Amino acid sequence: EAGVTQFPSHSVIEKGQTVTLRCDPISGHDNLYWYRRVMGKEIKFLLHFVKESKQDESGMPNNRFLAERTGGTYSTLKVQPAELEDSGVYFCASSRRINEQYFGPGTRLTVT
Amino acid sequence: DAKTTQPTSMDCAEGRAANLPCNHSTISGNEYVYWYRQIHSQGPQYIIHGLKNNETNEMASLIITEDRKSSTLILPHATLRDTAVYYCIVRVASDRGSTLGRLYFGRGTQLTVWP
Repeated sequence: EAGVTQFPSHSVIEKGQTVTLRCDPISGHDNLYWYRRVMGKEIKFLLHFVKESKQDESGMPNNRFLAERTGGTYSTLKVQPAELEDSGVYFCASSRRINEQYFGPGTRLTVT
Repeated sequence: DAKTTQPTSMDCAEGRAANLPCNHSTISGNEYVYWYRQIHSQGPQYIIHGLKNNETNEMASLIITEDRKSSTLILPHATLRDTAVYYCIVRVASDRGSTLGRLYFGRGTQLTVWP
């Protein structure tokens, strides 16, 4: 069984530009989550999809962040426009049930 | 958000048991104890979870005190590859239709296994 995959593994953009991160969950997993770790801080929850519906988006920092999961398969997280404080590692996780979340390797975002 | 307390760091000799403690004195009756770990530069990895009984799987054992206010994760024979940050997380159990999927990661315990 393939694990959670994320693309790209690394992205370097300038402040003000747009970046789109992609997450492909494990096949059959209805639950999909986004987390991030910014420099020196703890891993923080961003949002939770159940299939294509946003179940909990209370962790999204502001309206520059937009997450979608069309068709209930892969998900994208767009940051527009990117700010310096958005730099960090963005993790995606998926689960069949809520108990065990399987994480991807993360996307390292650097905003310069 | 995090309702657990863990030591900042621990070390352990390779081949010996690593015992990682966690305090969760405000845990509610419907909250489980979960353990995850993050090996450097990788995504967090699920290890084990439990409610009140001790649990064991191929990775580790989880010992929860009778009053459920603390627990210990045991890696019975630590290897160098177990060097990682270990997170103890308390969360409401899964429930069909539950919206409580989020995990709260604190600072965790940096476990270093030395040869």
